[in-house]
Order: sequence, then structure tokens, then C-alpha cells
Amino acid sequence: ELKVEQNPLFLSMQEGKNYTIYCNYSTTSDRLYWYRQDPGKSLESLFVLLSNGAVKQEGRLMASLDTKARLSTLHITAAVHDLSATYFCAVDLFYGGSQGNLIFGKGTKLSVKP
Amino acid sequence: EADIYQTPRYLVIGTGKKITLECSQTMGHDKMYWYQQDPGMELHLIHYSYGVNSTEKGDLSSESTVSRIRTEHFPLTLESARPSHTSQYLCATSFAGAYEQYFGPGTRLTVT
Repeated sequence: ELKVEQNPLFLSMQEGKNYTIYCNYSTTSDRLYWYRQDPGKSLESLFVLLSNGAVKQEGRLMASLDTKARLSTLHITAAVHDLSATYFCAVDLFYGGSQGNLIFGKGTKLSVKP
Repeated sequence: EADIYQTPRYLVIGTGKKITLECSQTMGHDKMYWYQQDPGMELHLIHYSYGVNSTEKGDLSSESTVSRIRTEHFPLTLESARPSHTSQYLCATSFAGAYEQYFGPGTRLTVT
């Protein structure tokens, strides 16, 4: 059974600081996704990582994927209040296939304080 | 980017009632999904469809049923709502051969 673990689950950080959210998964997969969810809202796609070593950056967020370690990181640089949200990673259920069923982590609730 | 619509957005209903949550999309995506999410918790896949007349149950057992008669519609039905069904229900779609799922705005259901 594929398990996806995120840590930390709660993160309170000050504006201007850097931090990393980790996403570990338990079985082979070469596709990983990061989503953002604001309170009471739906999910917004942030990054799609499709191969080992993939790195993507958007503004103050950078995501990377190490399929050998079964680990993805979401790095936050110089946090600002607008980044406050819950961040989910998700992994494809089937390796090498195209079914597209995702298993989600529990989410990391990020709060950026002035 | 997919345009995905869910109705109603909010629903408060009494125990035992039958309800249908609507999900529609205008992009012609083959794959559609229903997730259940309790506040502040992870998403659980409850149903999915790879195309017309195709429906499968997800990893979380659910008393709901779905149908896929048309590509653009993927309604979810609860025959007899219970308080344990109180949750947010998110519909998502993806294009065949693509990897990214696009999410609708969600339906927040409260069963009293």
C-alpha cells in the first residue's frame, strides 16, 4: 500500500525566513505533485515533478524530486504572509502507468507571521 | 486549464435525505475523480472514472455512487445521507495521458 508522509504537519515561520517541507513516499513512483489549498478553498496545482532530479521553481517556492530516496522537498525562500496555506504532496498510485490516481499526504499547514 | 463546476457549493440537509452532488467540466477531459476531505485533513479518493460508462471505487470506502453517462458530467449520489457524510467533496479532472489533476471549487456538505 502506498503511503505518503509529509513533515512537518504544522509550520509557523516568520516572514523573511527559509524553510523546507518534506514529502516521503513508500513505494516506487516517478511522478509527484504539489498542491496549495487556502482555507475553505479547493486545491491549486503548484508543481508537477515527472522524473528523478526534477527541480521546479515559482517565485519563492522550489520543489525537487529524488525518486531513489522516494523524497520530494518544497523549499520556501524568504517567506511572506501570502504563502500561508496548506500544502499537499501527492504521488501516483501506479508506477510506470498512466492511471493518474493520486495518493495525498496529510498536508502541511503553513502560517507565516510578520 | 480545466473549467470545473460543482453544485451546490454548500448544502445542509437532514438525515435520510437523498442528495446528488453535481460536477461538470467543459474541457473534454476523459478522467474524473471524487475526493472526500474532512476539514484540515488529507484527501481521500472515493470514486473515479476513465471515461463514459466507466466508474470505479477509490481507496476510501464510501456509501455514495457515481455515474458517467456523458463525458462532461460526473454526479455523486448519496441515497440516504447520514451525519458521518458531513465533509467537503472535491471533484477533479485530468486529460488522458496527462498527469496533472485540476480541482473544482468543492461542495461542503453538512448532514444534520
